[in-house]
Amino acid sequence: EVQLVESGGGLVQPGRSLRLSCTTSGFIFGDYAVSWVRQAPGKGLEWVGFMRGKAHGGAIEYAPSVNGRFSISRDDSKSIAYLQMDSLKTEDTAVYFCTRGNYDRAFYYTDYWGPGTLVTVST
Amino acid sequence: EVVLTQSPGTLSLSPGERATLSCRASQTVQTENFAWYQQKFGRAPRLLIFGASNRATGIPDRFSGSGSGTDFTLTISRLEPEDFAVYYCQQSVLAPHTFGQGTKLEIK
Repeated sequence: EVQLVESGGGLVQPGRSLRLSCTTSGFIFGDYAVSWVRQAPGKGLEWVGFMRGKAHGGAIEYAPSVNGRFSISRDDSKSIAYLQMDSLKTEDTAVYFCTRGNYDRAFYYTDYWGPGTLVTVST
Repeated sequence: EVVLTQSPGTLSLSPGERATLSCRASQTVQTENFAWYQQKFGRAPRLLIFGASNRATGIPDRFSGSGSGTDFTLTISRLEPEDFAVYYCQQSVLAPHTFGQGTKLEIK
């Protein structure tokens, strides 16, 4: 069974840092991309960024709203992905979802999501 | 950045009725990189459709997707009570992999 579980969320002050982890199981982690998506309270989904699997070049892309402050990494040996969030702002408050990106023949899509972890940026 | 605009914002229908949700892109999106998701309150989204028209594993055949270029449609042929939720479209052709703002499907 494919599973993704986020951890590391919590309350943090503006300007501080936080690192989220995404622990996965049930699939060969290195064969897939990993994306982070967030959802502010009562709002829609916002794509944060993704990292391709090594077989697909390992490239990383970020949304403009987080570029230069957030960074994605992965440890394929442990099947874990990370989202390092620096210089946090109040507008970064959201539930953060870890997702699996699937290269399926000619298709690419996000097929599995973790339950999410809440990050609250506040004084 | 590819902007996805979903319409309507809210759709009020009764069980058994047909629902048609629209997603329009600001530029051409390859069908291979277009998907629809369903989200129920307090839960993670669930993949419904990938490649614009392919149902994901376990998705009932009352859900169908169509479209190409800049105009895409999600159709639910006969609404069941569990279908009332928020629906999002997403493109993954160009980063950022943007989502539409969502269509809330509510019980009339």
